[in-house]
Amino acid sequence: EVQLVESGGSVVRPGGSLRLSCTGSGFTFDDFGMSWVRQAPGKGLEWVSSINWNGGITSYGDSVKGRFTISRDNAKKSLFLQMNRLGAEDTALYFCARGELYFDYWGQGIPVTVSS
Amino acid sequence: EIVLTQSPGTLSLSPGERVTLSCRASQSVSSDSVAWYQQKPGQAPRVLIYGASSRATGIPHRFSGRGSGTDFTLSISRLEPEDFAVYYCQQYGSSRSFGQGTKVEIK
Repeated sequence: EVQLVESGGSVVRPGGSLRLSCTGSGFTFDDFGMSWVRQAPGKGLEWVSSINWNGGITSYGDSVKGRFTISRDNAKKSLFLQMNRLGAEDTALYFCARGELYFDYWGQGIPVTVSS
Repeated sequence: EIVLTQSPGTLSLSPGERVTLSCRASQSVSSDSVAWYQQKPGQAPRVLIYGASSRATGIPHRFSGRGSGTDFTLSISRLEPEDFAVYYCQQYGSSRSFGQGTKVEIK
C-alpha cells in the first residue's frame, strides 16, 4: 500500500523559515517524481513545487519561487520542502503527492500557520 | 501561466442524476495534459482522470473525462451518494495549475 506521511508543520512567525518532510513507503521511491501541493483554509488547491526522480529537475509555482526549495533523499525515501521568508499567505495545509506532472497518491497533509 | 476556470461553482443534484463539469483553459493545454481530482471534507484529493480521458486505477466507470485544447469536461453518469464532493481540474501541459473547483452537493 502506497503511503505518504508529512511532518514538520508548525506555527511560525512572519519572515520565518520551516522545513517540511514527507516519507514514502509501499512503492519504489526513486522511480517517481514528487510534488508539494497546498490548500489554504477553505480554499482550493495550489501547486507549490515538483521534483523529478533524481532531484535533477525542480519547478516552482510563481508565488513561492525564490523562497521555497524542494529536495529529496532517495536513500531515506524522503521528500523535503524548505520554506523561507514565510508570510501569512503561506498559511495552508501542505500535501505531499506522488508524481511530477499529475498526482496519483497524496499524504493527509500537514498544517503550516504563519502568524505573529 | 495557464488559468483554469471551472463552472459552475456549485451544483445541487440528486443521487442517480447525470452531471457534467466544465474546465476551460486560458490557452491550449498541450497533449491533453489534464487531470481531475475529487476531494471530500477532511480528506486528501483523489485522482480520477489523467491525460484528459484515462481513468485512474480503481476509479468506477461512471466517471469519464473528455476534451482537448482549451475545453475539458468530467462526467458522472449516475451520481452515487459517495460522489458528493468538490472536483478540481488540473493542467500539466505548461507548468501546473488547478481550477478553483466545483462543489457537487445533494439537492
